Amino acid sequence: QKEVEQDPGPLSVPEGAIVSLNCTYSNSAFQYFMWYRQYSRKGPELLMYTYSSGNKEDGRFTAQVDKSSKYISLFIRDSQPSDSATYLCAMSPADRGSTLGRLYFGRGTQLTVWP
Amino acid sequence: GAVVSQHPSRVICKSGTSVKIECRSLDFQATTMFWYRQFPKQSLMLMATSNEGSKATYEQGVEKDKFLINHASLTLSTLTVTSAHPEDSSFYICSVYDRLKGELFFGEGSRLTVL
Repeated sequence: QKEVEQDPGPLSVPEGAIVSLNCTYSNSAFQYFMWYRQYSRKGPELLMYTYSSGNKEDGRFTAQVDKSSKYISLFIRDSQPSDSATYLCAMSPADRGSTLGRLYFGRGTQLTVWP
Repeated sequence: GAVVSQHPSRVICKSGTSVKIECRSLDFQATTMFWYRQFPKQSLMLMATSNEGSKATYEQGVEKDKFLINHASLTLSTLTVTSAHPEDSSFYICSVYDRLKGELFFGEGSRLTVL
């Protein structure tokens, strides 16, 4: 079993739709949870990160972590064509005092938002 | 602007040759850089952790004699794929951890194609 599971999609939605992206994981030591956006042939860029369980909102994006279920989500409200990209979840057991470079990634979900 | 610069962005080489990929931290000095590999529609897999002034730490299953990592300065790490084979064709991405911001920044990636 992989440590991080993510449905690769593809996911195709109309502009304005609410998008829900999810990942599950098996390692209960994970403390930091991140969502990255990756455009084609580019490196990933950080969208959001959360620590432990709870919700975090940033504009149209909301990240949720449920550690009891080992389940994280990213919601995109009022989706735009410019949101079309691959979204990767990532997680780490490290605390902020040490390196967070050792991340465990999901496969990424390919999202297309059509006008 | 970009925090991490990676070069070249694309490289095609013949089987048996060696290819060097550079990763530069533009905004800050980085004692630690990370090298990831991403196959099509797959997640990023950490290959090794590059440590300035010392040997790199390789993940299990990654051949250190094949993937040579040099971190000679606080702003530059290089990955050399030696005696490349077609199965080494992949997207190689470096990342740099900014301890002050507690954030991991990724390069744009280098797509290697071995013929």
